[in-house]
Amino acid sequence: DAGITQSPRHKVTETGTPVTLRCHQTENHRYMYWYRQDPGHGLRLIHYSYGVKDTDKGEVSDGYSVSRSKTEDFLLTLESATSSQTSVYFCAISQGLAGETGELFFGEGSRLTVL
Amino acid sequence: KNEVEQSPQNLTAQEGEFITINCSYSVGISALHWLQQHPGGGIVSLFMLSSGKKKHGRLIATINIQEKHSSLHITASHPRDSAVYICAVGTSGSRLTFGEGTQLTVNP
Repeated sequence: DAGITQSPRHKVTETGTPVTLRCHQTENHRYMYWYRQDPGHGLRLIHYSYGVKDTDKGEVSDGYSVSRSKTEDFLLTLESATSSQTSVYFCAISQGLAGETGELFFGEGSRLTVL
Repeated sequence: KNEVEQSPQNLTAQEGEFITINCSYSVGISALHWLQQHPGGGIVSLFMLSSGKKKHGRLIATINIQEKHSSLHITASHPRDSAVYICAVGTSGSRLTFGEGTQLTVNP
């Protein structure tokens, strides 16, 4: 199994509070992604990174920011959490771009509840 | 209309049956992924393909680029195959469009 860990795995927070989810990899893969999964929707890309300090927006990036200061860590931050951000968040990594040549490896997911 | 349509949405089978899950897409793609999501929520990549056919154990994935269609077959199904199977298509770069998944239940 690819070495990807997400933390925390579960979090309950209140509206308006900041939240940071961490994704850590030991595979030295170039690309890292944050997705959210909600009922009635497929996985949707929030942000991705193509290298240290290189990030770009996905299709549902509003309300989220990311940072990648080291190859192995990719942080997802909700500056001021809202109830619409209640979801399961998955981190994924790939050697090549996921839309082209990169097989994806997923973390175990982080379940976030915003009250 | 979603760019990626999976069928069926739900599938119940008896152990040992041959299973087919279909994925149709509406745009030109550079890669197609099949993923498996376990009841506990973890997601595993099964296949990534851009043409032809791939086989791994009891799983076979095929793709027909001209018809914009892919199938995932499971031979000699087993209760441990019960999971959600997700198709995702890559159009370019980082962008993947995911289907909503097919819930498979295999009864003993």
